[in-house]
Amino acid sequence: AQSVTQPDIHITVSEGASLELRCNYSYGATPYLFWYVQSPGQGLQLLLKYFSGDTLVQGIKGFEAEFKRSQSSFNLRKPSVHWSDAAEYFCAVVTSSGGSYIPTFGRGTSLIVHP
Amino acid sequence: SQTIHQWPATLVQPVGSPLSLECTVEGTSNPNLYWYRQAAGRGLQLLFYSVGIGQISSEVPQNLSASRPQDRQFILSSKKLLLSDSGFYLCAWSGGLTYGYTFGSGTRLTVV
Repeated sequence: AQSVTQPDIHITVSEGASLELRCNYSYGATPYLFWYVQSPGQGLQLLLKYFSGDTLVQGIKGFEAEFKRSQSSFNLRKPSVHWSDAAEYFCAVVTSSGGSYIPTFGRGTSLIVHP
Repeated sequence: SQTIHQWPATLVQPVGSPLSLECTVEGTSNPNLYWYRQAAGRGLQLLFYSVGIGQISSEVPQNLSASRPQDRQFILSSKKLLLSDSGFYLCAWSGGLTYGYTFGSGTRLTVV
C-alpha cells in the first residue's frame, strides 16, 4: 500500500532564511505527487504537483519541489521564507484504485517563522 | 469557475445526536468527491470517496456514512455521534488527476 512520510512534525526558521520540508513516499509505480498548504482553520491549497517530466517543479508563492526517484523523495523548498508562510504543509501521493485516483496525505509539517 | 462549498463551518453536537454535513460543487460536472477527517497532529484520513451519483467507497469502518444524491452534492452523516468523531472535516473534489484536488474550507465538529 502507498504511504507518505513527513519526518518533521515542526520546523522553525527565521524570516528570510531558506526552507526545506521533507517528504518520502512508498509506492510501487510512478507516483503522482502534490504539496498542499493549510492555514489555521482553513482548507488546503495546492502549492504544486508532479506527474512526469522535469523533476524540479515550480509552484505558487515561490515554492519549488524536486522529485528524486532514487530516494523516493519529493522535498519542498523555498529560498527565502516570509512570515506569511507560517502554516501546515502536507505532502500527498496519488494512486489509482478501481479507476479512481485517491490522494494519501502525510501527517503534515508545521512551519513556524520567527521574525 | 469551479467552487466548492462546505457547511456548516463549525458545529457542536452532543454525544448520540445525528450528524449531517453537506458539500456542494459548482461549475463542473461528474466530479470525484472526497470526505477527509483531520484530527490534531494526525494528518488527513480519507473517509469516503465517490466517482458518481450513488457510488460511495468507504475507506475506514466507523459509524459515519456518506451519500451522493446528486452529481455535485456529497453528504456526510451519522446516526449517533461519538466523542471520537470530533475533528475537522474536509470535502474535496477533483475533475481528474491532472487537475489536482480542491478542498472546501472545512467543518470543525466538536462532540460533547
